[in-house]
Amino acid sequence: DTGVSQDPRHKITKRGQNVTFRCDPISEHNRLYWYRQTLGQGPEFLTYFQNEAQLEKSRLLSDRFSAERPKGSFSTLEIQRTEQGDSAMYLCASSYGGSGQGLLRELFFGEGSRLTVL
Amino acid sequence: AQSVTQLDSHVSVSEGTPVLLRCNYSSSYSPSLFWYVQHPNKGLQLLLKYTSAATLVKGINGFEAEFKKSETSFHLTKPSAHMSDAAEYFCVVHSSASKIIFGSGTRLSIRP
Repeated sequence: DTGVSQDPRHKITKRGQNVTFRCDPISEHNRLYWYRQTLGQGPEFLTYFQNEAQLEKSRLLSDRFSAERPKGSFSTLEIQRTEQGDSAMYLCASSYGGSGQGLLRELFFGEGSRLTVL
Repeated sequence: AQSVTQLDSHVSVSEGTPVLLRCNYSSSYSPSLFWYVQHPNKGLQLLLKYTSAATLVKGINGFEAEFKKSETSFHLTKPSAHMSDAAEYFCVVHSSASKIIFGSGTRLSIRP
């Protein structure tokens, strides 16, 4: 049984560099979410995919952030020109949802990718 | 609009005593409500969920929560705390596939 996996688990980068995180969801899950979590806070929603379609993006997701899920399987989250304020844990979650079932499905989380921008 | 408020950022109890973690929500629709737990350096794990069936919901590890619509609350309880319960707990409001809002979390500490 493979859960949600994220890579890398830790990334240290210098300000201004680009970074990319990858998320592999549970294989039968059609929904994929990215969240950001800073110390002492709950996860904040960034974006949501149903299959390959990006259906919603948070206002937190500036134009330096881009997410893709090209074949409806794994997803990438890229941050361009990183800033110190981007330092956080980036969480990926997946779930399975169909018509009328969206309210019932729990999210399955990966262990996160921790970004430190120096 | 929906929101969730966890009333305590930190709760400390002695091992073997009851645990109460408080959560109030606001939602325009009938929400689904969840509690997740996050142990250090681990991913979030579902404890329990309320989806408009029974108002008293039982979860894993002896936790339960009661949905009270009149009080817009979904407090998490456990009769007897164990050292392994020390973690961060998040209350979550879920009213559509994309509208999933986390509370700010309550850190639970257990004293020996």
